[in-house]
Amino acid sequence: KAGVTQTPRYLIKTRGQQVTLSCSPISGHRSVSWYQQTPGQGLQFLFEYFSETQRNKGNFPGRFSGRQFSNSRSEMNVSTLELGDSALYLCASSLSPDPLIQYFGAGTRLSVL
Amino acid sequence: SQKIEQNSEALNIQEGKTATLTCNYTNYSPAYLQWYRQDPGRGPVFLLLIRENEKEKRKERLKVTFDTTLKQSLFHITASQPADSATYLCALAKGNTPLVFGKGTRLSVIA
Repeated sequence: KAGVTQTPRYLIKTRGQQVTLSCSPISGHRSVSWYQQTPGQGLQFLFEYFSETQRNKGNFPGRFSGRQFSNSRSEMNVSTLELGDSALYLCASSLSPDPLIQYFGAGTRLSVL
Repeated sequence: SQKIEQNSEALNIQEGKTATLTCNYTNYSPAYLQWYRQDPGRGPVFLLLIRENEKEKRKERLKVTFDTTLKQSLFHITASQPADSATYLCALAKGNTPLVFGKGTRLSVIA
């Protein structure tokens, strides 16, 4: 069974631009979560989608948004990029919401210049 | 707000010894606790889950304990090998709430 696939793996953007990251979950997994990982803050939860509905949201500004499609694939979008948005963005899928065992992709490394 | 501390940023041990990593939490009553392994340039990989009513869980050379009174979990790797070198993350959750991760402990096993 294929794992979680994230594209692209690396991205370089400049301040003020917007970016869209893509995630394909493991087949059969309907829950998709997004995390931001930085050396200073660690792994921080952005949002979770289940059956196309946002079920949980972390403490991030409205510039961060996401969506999930009917095939469970998910995208996250960051508008008006800031230097502090440079991070590893990880997507994870889960078969069940409880317990929420996360299967992570390799991540998208975003650098904002 | 809830706080999770993995009390060592880095831990160095000799090959063959037992590595013990600690995860402490405050202001939280998790239903379960998980441990993940993360290698450089990769996403975390799930290792073990232990529920609040379980004291200990084992998987091969891994052992996790969970003390809800002390609000602490210990993660042990016995007979450690250089291939065990990685960052280990603990994560807590209850019900349908999101996982809350610690910042991780970077383990180096020296041959």
